[in-house]
Amino acid sequence: DGGITQSPKYLFRKEGQNVTLSCEQNLNHDAMYWYRQDPGQGLRLIYYSQIVNDFQKGDIAEGYSVSREKKESFPLTVTSAQKNPTAFYLCASSMMGYGQYFGPGTRLTVT
Amino acid sequence: AQSVTQLGSHVSVSEGALVLLRCNYSSSVPPYLFWYVQYPNQGLQLLLKYTSAATLVKGINGFEAEFKKSETSFHLTKPSAHMSDAAEYFCAVSDRERGTYKYIFGTGTRLKVLA
Repeated sequence: DGGITQSPKYLFRKEGQNVTLSCEQNLNHDAMYWYRQDPGQGLRLIYYSQIVNDFQKGDIAEGYSVSREKKESFPLTVTSAQKNPTAFYLCASSMMGYGQYFGPGTRLTVT
Repeated sequence: AQSVTQLGSHVSVSEGALVLLRCNYSSSVPPYLFWYVQYPNQGLQLLLKYTSAATLVKGINGFEAEFKKSETSFHLTKPSAHMSDAAEYFCAVSDRERGTYKYIFGTGTRLKVLA
């Protein structure tokens, strides 16, 4: 089955620790995206990547970092510099502009 | 830059009634438009998309949407609501920027279905 996987589903960390969220796709899509979703709010773009070894900042990139070493993988690191990291994180991929396919999400709680 | 406006953050309908969720876009040229559904604690699922073909687009779960250029609208409808339709719905538009496609989302409409 083709799709996007995110792991883990739930993640708990102490304040001051970096944490990496995994995102893998086997849809052969070129573009991949990371979004943050807070309760009652829409999706806010963190980073996106069109091709391997290239990525761009989205609207709220501060405190986050990404890498794109393989077409299939686009991990997101939430650093200790992110002031309010507790949120639901969604990864997506797409081919051209024909719509995105989303993973199941990772809920990160930082205390 | 493209933008999307969803009118009504919360919509309630009775089971069996018509569902109408509103979406307006801002664009000088016909964009690609999308509707997504999100159930609690899950990712978004693509319901349907408009990509410059037929203006009336049929999607999954009995939903459809009509692209109206004159009104810059792409409203989502379903003739008869089912309890399982209760979810949050997002309208989105794709925008090409320096060779990369970005997607701009509305703020979402939470649909409640009353028994």
